[in-house]
Amino acid sequence: EDKVVQSPLSLVVHEGDTVTLNCSYEVTNFRSLLWYKQEKKAPTFLFMLTSSGIEKKSGRLSSILDKKELFSILNITATQTGDSAIYLCAVEKTSGSRLTFGEGTQLTVNP
Amino acid sequence: GAVVSQHPSWVICKSGTSVKIECRSLDFQATTMFWYRQFPKQSLMLMATSNEGSKATYEQGVEKDKFLINHASLTLSTLTVTSAHPEDSSFYICSARNSGMGDTQYFGPGTRLTVL
Repeated sequence: EDKVVQSPLSLVVHEGDTVTLNCSYEVTNFRSLLWYKQEKKAPTFLFMLTSSGIEKKSGRLSSILDKKELFSILNITATQTGDSAIYLCAVEKTSGSRLTFGEGTQLTVNP
Repeated sequence: GAVVSQHPSWVICKSGTSVKIECRSLDFQATTMFWYRQFPKQSLMLMATSNEGSKATYEQGVEKDKFLINHASLTLSTLTVTSAHPEDSSFYICSARNSGMGDTQYFGPGTRLTVL
């Protein structure tokens, strides 16, 4: 059975801190790993990772994939209160593009 | 861009009635759309995969006669919750696969359904 596990499940930090969110997976026919940010409504897309070792970066957020060890990390530097959200990791298979989601990490950034 | 809309954004209905939720890809065509539901403090659970012009593929445990899916055009999929009951109250989210942007799935804003 496909499995996506995120850790930690929740995290509370102060503004300015750097955080690292983890996602490990066990999926047959892996195609890609995606990170989403979910605030009050539906998830918004952050990154799609298909190749090992290539860092994707967007402002203060960055992510990397290790296909050998089957995990990905999402880094957020100089956190702000607006980064408070649930961060979801999902894995896509080659067939049918189904996404299997992890439980998410609830990040709270306090001023 | 890759914008997906849902309508309505929230709905309250009586037990036993049917509710239709629309999912539209506004600036791209989507041969495949997905329907998820999300309970409070839980992750997204895939309900079904909707393919334009053909029958939807339902996940195990999802009743296809209760959750009717129609994907009649490349920009519209609908989910009808038939004979809704309070346990169907949930946040329903659709996503659309954008082939022009690496097959990334973009999500609609979600529909909050409350069944009284």
